[in-house]
Amino acid sequence: DSGVTQTPKHLITATGQRVTLRCSPRSGDLSVYWYQQSLDQGLQFLIHYYNGEERAKGNILERFSAQQFPDLHSELNLSSLELGDSALYFCASSAHHRDQGGYTFGSGTRLTVV
Amino acid sequence: GENVEQHPSTLSVQEGDSAVIKCTYSDSASNYFPWYKQELGKGPQLIIDIRSNVGEKKDQRIAVTLNKTAKHFSLHITETQPEDSAVYFCAASSGSARQLTFGSGTQLTVLP
Repeated sequence: DSGVTQTPKHLITATGQRVTLRCSPRSGDLSVYWYQQSLDQGLQFLIHYYNGEERAKGNILERFSAQQFPDLHSELNLSSLELGDSALYFCASSAHHRDQGGYTFGSGTRLTVV
Repeated sequence: GENVEQHPSTLSVQEGDSAVIKCTYSDSASNYFPWYKQELGKGPQLIIDIRSNVGEKKDQRIAVTLNKTAKHFSLHITETQPEDSAVYFCAASSGSARQLTFGSGTQLTVLP
């Protein structure tokens, strides 16, 4: 157990629907990062939150949004889902937003859009 | 932005042999280079990292080398074992961009 908790582990939904993925960072970590992993795209950075504030955005679609709550857990909201959104979504956490150090990843949420 | 290229995409070695995975990066400001191992059904796990003020780092059977001039870094695994079989990712980040940019991954298979 890495200490980063992601729920649900699996999600199957239909095109056009909206889903919410949840992440609880490792105890004491203030930064949360979301990544999308698909077969042909590798690990793509979506968004970074630090202590409740958005710090950086990557290749995140306008249909996707995220937030980090006062208790530091984060949610990734995916709406108007398309078949191409099927992927593994990983959350990672780290202690600081500027210190260089490795992330700790959760075990991911596998999203299947049918 | 940063671009990280990783080679090879697949690598098969005999148990006991060495494995080498290579990555190049584009942003000369990048100063942190971690390597992650991802087993089937799990999230990536940090196995070793190196910072730009160091040329080489070793941890038991794994080592990473960094050539800042050429902007490339490599992962070396010696005395490979079947449990080393996994997908390995390199990554890079700079001080101003805290997020990691990942390579495309290498599927390592260690044949018994």
